[in-house]
Amino acid sequence: DAGITQSPRHKVTETGTPVTLRCHQTENHRYMYWYRQDPGHGLRLIHYSYGVKDTDKGEVSDGYSVSRSKTEDFLLTLESATSSQTSVYFCAISNTNEQFFGPGTRLTVL
Amino acid sequence: GQSLEQPSEVTAVEGAIVQINCTYQTSGFYGLSWYQQHDGGAPTFLSYNALDGLEETGRFSSFLSRSDSYGYLLLQELQMKDSASYFCAVHRGVNRDDKIIFGKGTRLHILP
Repeated sequence: DAGITQSPRHKVTETGTPVTLRCHQTENHRYMYWYRQDPGHGLRLIHYSYGVKDTDKGEVSDGYSVSRSKTEDFLLTLESATSSQTSVYFCAISNTNEQFFGPGTRLTVL
Repeated sequence: GQSLEQPSEVTAVEGAIVQINCTYQTSGFYGLSWYQQHDGGAPTFLSYNALDGLEETGRFSSFLSRSDSYGYLLLQELQMKDSASYFCAVHRGVNRDDKIIFGKGTRLHILP
């Protein structure tokens, strides 16, 4: 299995608070992605990175920011969490056409 | 706009064959991937097609027709462990930084 971890695995927070999710890889893959998964919507791309300090928006980027200061770490930040951001968040990495997914983070915003 | 269409649910019998279809309409197309996801788990890669035709990997095969904007995943000799959700995904460009779009997934139910 690809070495990719996410932290925390579960988080409950309140509306209006900032939240940061971390994705860490040990595979030295160039590309990293953040997705959210909601019932009826499949996987939707939030942001992705194609190198250190190189990031771009996905289809549902509003309310989210990312940073990648090192190859191995990709951070997803919710500046002010809203209930609509309650979801399961997956990080993925790739060097080829195959993406390897992390175990996911279940975020609940009350 | 961008769209991928796949059935929301499919039911099949253990030992049988099932086909999960995916049609797409996207600005740019380079290839089609398939992923499997068990309940509570992460998606895992199954296959990738960039050229027309059938790619076989064990019990699973994937087909692509670029002219029809259509692909399918074929699962043979179904086993109970194949009960999962299956997602098709379009790669919109040759570069890895071109955004990948996932379908909403097909839930496969397998009856004993």
